Amino acid sequence: DVKVTQSSRYLVKRTGEKVFLECVQDMDHENMFWYRQDPGLGLRLIYFSYDVKMKEKGDIPEGYSVSREKKERFSLILESASTNQTSMYLCASSSSTTGVYEQYFGPGTRLTVT
Amino acid sequence: QKEVEQNSGPLSVPEGAIASLNCTYSDRGSQSFFWYRQYSGKSPELIMFIYSNGDKEDGRFTAQLNKASQYVSLLIRDSQPSDSATYLCAVTRIQGAQKLVFGQGTRLTINP
Repeated sequence: DVKVTQSSRYLVKRTGEKVFLECVQDMDHENMFWYRQDPGLGLRLIYFSYDVKMKEKGDIPEGYSVSREKKERFSLILESASTNQTSMYLCASSSSTTGVYEQYFGPGTRLTVT
Repeated sequence: QKEVEQNSGPLSVPEGAIASLNCTYSDRGSQSFFWYRQYSGKSPELIMFIYSNGDKEDGRFTAQLNKASQYVSLLIRDSQPSDSATYLCAVTRIQGAQKLVFGQGTRLTINP
């Protein structure tokens, strides 16, 4: 079974803090994704990586950056957290070899910025 | 027009009946289609994918795809209370096939 893990289930940070969210997958997947999910807005793609050290902006990259130094690990960074970044953050991974691109999600991190 | 549209519901179905969830998409070149189930407070879980026209069955679940009509559906037979969840439809974009576009989700409630 594919396993995607995220470093924290719940996180509370203060406005202006730098926040790191970590994601690790154990299936040797090429592609990794960060989404945020908000009521009424659905899942929105923040950033995406299709290879080590490669990254691509998603639909809402402002205020975020990412890092992928190893194939299995994809980090989301909030450079200076703001209250409007309070959300559920979901990491996902997928394989490029099947050609179908089904994504597998981690358990999510519920971030509250106060 | 949204890329992927679903009726947000809530859809209420009696236990044992067939639940029918629908999704339309705007990108005619989309190639792969997915249904995810998301329980409240949990992350989405992949339950089915389909990429050819027609039906694909897996246990009580059947995915149906009609590319000409740009329509994909999920049927749940013999609905159980444990099927109560939000169901997300997702579609690959033509450009950047690795990326999925998600619908808003349909909230399904199975009534005992």
